[in-house]
Amino acid sequence: GAVVSQHPSRVICKSGTSVKIECRSLDFQATTMFWYRQFPKQSLMLMATSNEGSKATYEQGVEKDKFLINHASLTLSTLTVTSAHPEDSSFYICSARPPQGNYGYTFGSGTRLTVV
Amino acid sequence: GENVEQHPSTLSVQEGDSAVIKCTYSDSASNYFPWYKQELGKRPQLIIDIRSNVGEKKDQRIAVTLNKTAKHFSLHITETQPEDSAVYFCAASWNEKLTFGTGTRLTIIP
Repeated sequence: GAVVSQHPSRVICKSGTSVKIECRSLDFQATTMFWYRQFPKQSLMLMATSNEGSKATYEQGVEKDKFLINHASLTLSTLTVTSAHPEDSSFYICSARPPQGNYGYTFGSGTRLTVV
Repeated sequence: GENVEQHPSTLSVQEGDSAVIKCTYSDSASNYFPWYKQELGKRPQLIIDIRSNVGEKKDQRIAVTLNKTAKHFSLHITETQPEDSAVYFCAASWNEKLTFGTGTRLTIIP
């Protein structure tokens, strides 16, 4: 149980285009999902908290107009990288926490974004 | 906000020996401390976690200790095996947010 699916696993896009990444909780409902970014050989940095039915909460230094988050249902959150640039190339990972007192966070498989 | 420091950044251990990774956190309100193992290009995998009302937890070859007063927690891996080679991250959670440490690259030498 507690599976989070993330798609696509890899994407290459041209500078200036937008890319959408999907994160789905497969066997539980997630009112809150989290989006992280991980640069090579670095740690996971929280970008934003996605809240079902309301606006996402962004961490300091993360541009909300560049990284659009939509959490339209209890099982789906999407991250859209708009007007992508090479410096946006990174590993993006989503996470969700199953309810009912389980403190464990489950991670998606990640998306390797390369902007050329 | 929470700040988590992790040491060492790299650790090489002979197969069969023990490995210890240490983390400190800054926010005394943090109440959940997971450890993750991440292999190259893969998602982080939870290997063990501990809550703030517990001082120690063990699962086979892996154990975690927590000292709330000193605000530090440690991961202990005994009888290390080659498949233990990976990057390990500690994390601290408060208000649902996970803050990660900087990671430790563990290499098990056969």
